[in-house]
Formats: sequence, C-alpha cells, structure tokens
Amino acid sequence: NAGVTQTPKFQVLKTGQSMTLQCAQDMNHEYMSWYRQDPGMGLRLIHYSVGAGITDQGEVPNGYNVSRSTTEDFPLRLLSAAPSQTSVYFCASSLWAGELFFGEGSRLTVL
Amino acid sequence: AQSVTQLDSQVPVFEEAPVELRCNYSSSVSVYLFWYVQYPNQGLQLLLKYLSGSTLVESINGFEAEFNKSQTSFHLRKPSVHISDTAEYFCAVSEGTSYGKLTFGQGTILTVHP
Repeated sequence: NAGVTQTPKFQVLKTGQSMTLQCAQDMNHEYMSWYRQDPGMGLRLIHYSVGAGITDQGEVPNGYNVSRSTTEDFPLRLLSAAPSQTSVYFCASSLWAGELFFGEGSRLTVL
Repeated sequence: AQSVTQLDSQVPVFEEAPVELRCNYSSSVSVYLFWYVQYPNQGLQLLLKYLSGSTLVESINGFEAEFNKSQTSFHLRKPSVHISDTAEYFCAVSEGTSYGKLTFGQGTILTVHP
C-alpha cells in the first residue's frame, strides 16, 4: 500500500553540491512527474515522463535532470544546487492525464 | 498555453459557515479540471474532478464544484465547513491528453475558526 515514495524527506545542501531525489511508485503507472512548490506560486512542473525511456521538460526544467529506466522509478537530479532551488519537491504518478497521486514531498534547503 | 488563477490566497471562515474558493482558468482547448487539497506537511490529494458530463461534481466530504464554460470558472463550495477542512486547496487544469501534466493555481489557504 506504499503508493508514491520519496526520499529523502529533508535535505540541506551547500551551493554547488549535487544530489538526487528518489521517487518510486508501485501502482504500475505510466505517467510520472516532478513538481516544485513555492509559497504563493502553487506547484510548477519540472520534468515529466510518459513511460520508461521517455522524458520531457516542464515549465521550470533548468538545473534539473531526470531519467526513467524503469516504470517504477523516476529520480530527479540537481546538478549544481543554487539557493533558488530551495523548495519542496513533489513526485507524482498517474494512470491517465489528470488524476495525480503525490508523494509526501522532499524539503530541500540550499545554503 | 493554459493557466489557472485562484482569486483568493487566504479565506478565513467560522465553523459551520458556507465557503466558496474561486478558480478561473484559461485554455484554448477542452480541459479537465481538478481540485486538490493539501493538509499540513502532506502531499496533495485529489478532492474532485470534472472530466465531462454533468457540470456539477461532488466530493465524498461535502465539497462541490461547478464547471462554467462561459465564465471559464470552476469554483469550489461547501455549505457548512468543519475545523478539519482547514488546509490549502489547489485548482488545476489539464488539457485533454496532456499525459499527467497539470497546471496548478497559486493555492488558497482555508482556515476554519471555531
């Protein structure tokens, strides 16, 4: 009954460091996506995937990379962290266009 | 490109009072519309959705929303709120087969006071 699992839940980085946010889902959903949530701005789409081996950019992709080698996993990589990437990150999966199932979020602080 | 505007960033109400959270969208094609709810320190959960058919949709906990195509709105209403409804509410739009890509509004924080 796990649904969408994100790790880590909290992370503090220094400017310039790199890291990977992990996301796994056990619902056999084809569609997966990453959003960032900032106060007063709602959720903004970073990258998304429509299936294993297929990814595309969302609204705010700069500074992030993704890959989708399996249906279950969709990691988000920060290449060189910047303070502007301080945010709460949500991974989501869906069986079709619209009804997203979200993870509990990963809170990232970049100093 | 699609966009969503939630007209109120914060809505304070007293328990058992009615509430309306306003949402307007813009899109050049047919859309699916959603309301998600986020309780503190949690992810978002789907509250209700409009895909087609009846323009009035309801959730299991008493919320309802009406799709108004002419006004491009999808306002969320509840006739009598509870303390447990305190949360942040997000309106979102998906353009047909956009493969799990939603555009979200800025969010409305609903605070229910005793």
